[in-house]
Amino acid sequence: QQQVKQSPQSLIVQKGGISIINCAYENTAFDYFPWYQQFPGKGPALLIAIRPDVSEKKEGRFTISFNKSAKQFSLHIMDSQPGDSATYFCAASTGNNDMRFGAGTRLTVKP
Amino acid sequence: SAVISQKPSRDICQRGTSLTIQCQVDSQVTMMFWYRQQPGQSLTLIATANQGSEATYESGFVIDKFPISRPNLTFSTLTVSNMSPEDSSIYLCSVLIPTVDYINYGYTFGSGTRLTVV
Repeated sequence: QQQVKQSPQSLIVQKGGISIINCAYENTAFDYFPWYQQFPGKGPALLIAIRPDVSEKKEGRFTISFNKSAKQFSLHIMDSQPGDSATYFCAASTGNNDMRFGAGTRLTVKP
Repeated sequence: SAVISQKPSRDICQRGTSLTIQCQVDSQVTMMFWYRQQPGQSLTLIATANQGSEATYESGFVIDKFPISRPNLTFSTLTVSNMSPEDSSIYLCSVLIPTVDYINYGYTFGSGTRLTVV
């Protein structure tokens, strides 16, 4: 089922640094690429999402970069904070359909 | 976005028994999804449940093991039948809020049901 490949598996960043998580996909029918943030004991929460007609989307400290030709997209967290420590999942879906998730990245931001 | 209430939040069950997980949404939704998340792992889609039709199961999941009900547009249940320790996992329901702009109102998840089978 894993149609989206995510890396790294874990990431440790100093407070104030930039966290970068990468994902790649194969299915060119995917047209919606969200990132989810999950804290322990909680369900995933939508963080930011992009459609393939734009190359970048920014919301506050979070930016998605999208490379359609390479079939890759990434999440950048600027000025990373300890409160950002969580597991991040990239995902992809085809329109009004189910969601395929990456394996997840456990981010730890050290104070 | 929708608010999802999922019950129970956790349970410890004996092998061979069954557990039914409930998912209640505060708005009417067409599509509901059930996912499984094993500890420290990603989310795997079990099935898609649309009101008024049979659930559609992903490869590796069968109706006899994971029967799903979808009696109306705000509620669904997932039953984990004849449980074994391998079924220990977090089970999550998710809904898709139909909107022109999926960016802001895409998929919402419940908090999950943490199931331990002993």
